Amino acid sequence: SAVISQKPSRDICQRGTSLTIQCQVDSQVTMMFWYRQQPGQSLTLIATANQGSEATYESGFVIDKFPISRPNLTFSTLTVSNMSPEDSSIYLCSVVAGQETQYFGPGTRLLVL
Amino acid sequence: GQQLNQSPQSMFIQEGEDVSMNCTSSSIFNTWLWYKQEPGEGPVLLIALYKAGELTSNGRLTAQFGITRKDSFLNISASIPSDVGIYFCAGRPLGSGNTGKLIFGQGTTLQVKP
Repeated sequence: SAVISQKPSRDICQRGTSLTIQCQVDSQVTMMFWYRQQPGQSLTLIATANQGSEATYESGFVIDKFPISRPNLTFSTLTVSNMSPEDSSIYLCSVVAGQETQYFGPGTRLLVL
Repeated sequence: GQQLNQSPQSMFIQEGEDVSMNCTSSSIFNTWLWYKQEPGEGPVLLIALYKAGELTSNGRLTAQFGITRKDSFLNISASIPSDVGIYFCAGRPLGSGNTGKLIFGQGTTLQVKP
């Protein structure tokens, strides 16, 4: 398994500002991902964080809005840029470890006013 | 697009009762995962299934990967109050390899009355 931590655990932000979320894993992993969970909803994949190269974004998500960094095999950041109230969600870091088993971090709860 | 239909949407049961929930799809999946999410937490992996027909248990939880590869169920036996939470099925579509692109069901909210 993998132990994943995220910072911050929650934040309240003003419209138009940006927030960077950090994800730290306790072991080196090949695959790291960022998901979004809107209030009362299921999880949606935002992008795959690629080590040493640009992230791979899913349809509906763009780099200008959600820039992602992955400098090494244990760490990644997701920035939510120019926030609006519609960005209020839980943002979750996820990794694949072991036999294609996928684990999630505790999430970052974001409220945009 | 690929979707998972998870049912029931919610359940309110008496402590000690058994629970069953399932996910179906029109597409084939090569991995099925079941997660539980409690308030303020991220999803926690309960059971992972990798082969059609596979039946796996984790304590009072049992899950099966349907032989058609288009469905999976999760059973909880003798429910207790700490089983309360939202249960999500998630599948990795055939051909997605190790991309991490899990498709999630809409979740089953379970409430247990002591």
